[in-house]
Amino acid sequence: DIQMTQSPASLSASLEEIVTITCQASQDIGNWLSWYQQKPGKSPQLLIYGATSLADGVPSRFSGSRSGTQYSLKISRLQVEDIGIYYCLQAYSAPFTFGSGTKLEIK
Amino acid sequence: EVQLVESGEGLVQPGSSMKLSCVASGFTFSNYGMNWIRQAPKKGLEWIALIYYDSSSKYYADSVKGRFTISRDNSKNTLYLEMNSLRSEDTAMYYCAKRSYRGFDYWGQGVMVTVSS
Repeated sequence: DIQMTQSPASLSASLEEIVTITCQASQDIGNWLSWYQQKPGKSPQLLIYGATSLADGVPSRFSGSRSGTQYSLKISRLQVEDIGIYYCLQAYSAPFTFGSGTKLEIK
Repeated sequence: EVQLVESGEGLVQPGSSMKLSCVASGFTFSNYGMNWIRQAPKKGLEWIALIYYDSSSKYYADSVKGRFTISRDNSKNTLYLEMNSLRSEDTAMYYCAKRSYRGFDYWGQGVMVTVSS
């Protein structure tokens, strides 16, 4: 099974700051990597798909990148509404696996 | 507008069974694979099952394999999760999610399953 190692587990950053979250896949998953945001008491929402493509309606301050088997989610200018928990997901091969999540707070 | 609405929430005893449903609307249900994902209280997301658009293939997480069954009825635009031999560790919010080339692009609101004596 493919393991997704996500870091950091938590992150506190200031408004307008650049934030980066990473996921390391245990093997090649190509671009079958997506990122999700979950706000308290809500269902997760798709942010990034295909490792680098922005989902519909997602602000352009969110971006995704890939370097080999390492994937990153970047928020270029942190806003208050960005607080929540972020997860990566590999859907290359079942069983699909989520990263362990990153809790993002405002400093 | 795409909508996924789960039902079947409840409290059950360990060892018992339960069936969840997810009714889809706003897209051609029969064209897409569907998933179940769960989230234990204060924990992360756990993918648990996938069914192809035509039910030709089904996949499960090891944690539920042999106890849970995913199925679908394309004539009713409905996804199901039959859960048997429930354990306390199955206590979680259960979400259905539509799968596309974009990932899991739509999620239901979730239903809470509590397994306790």
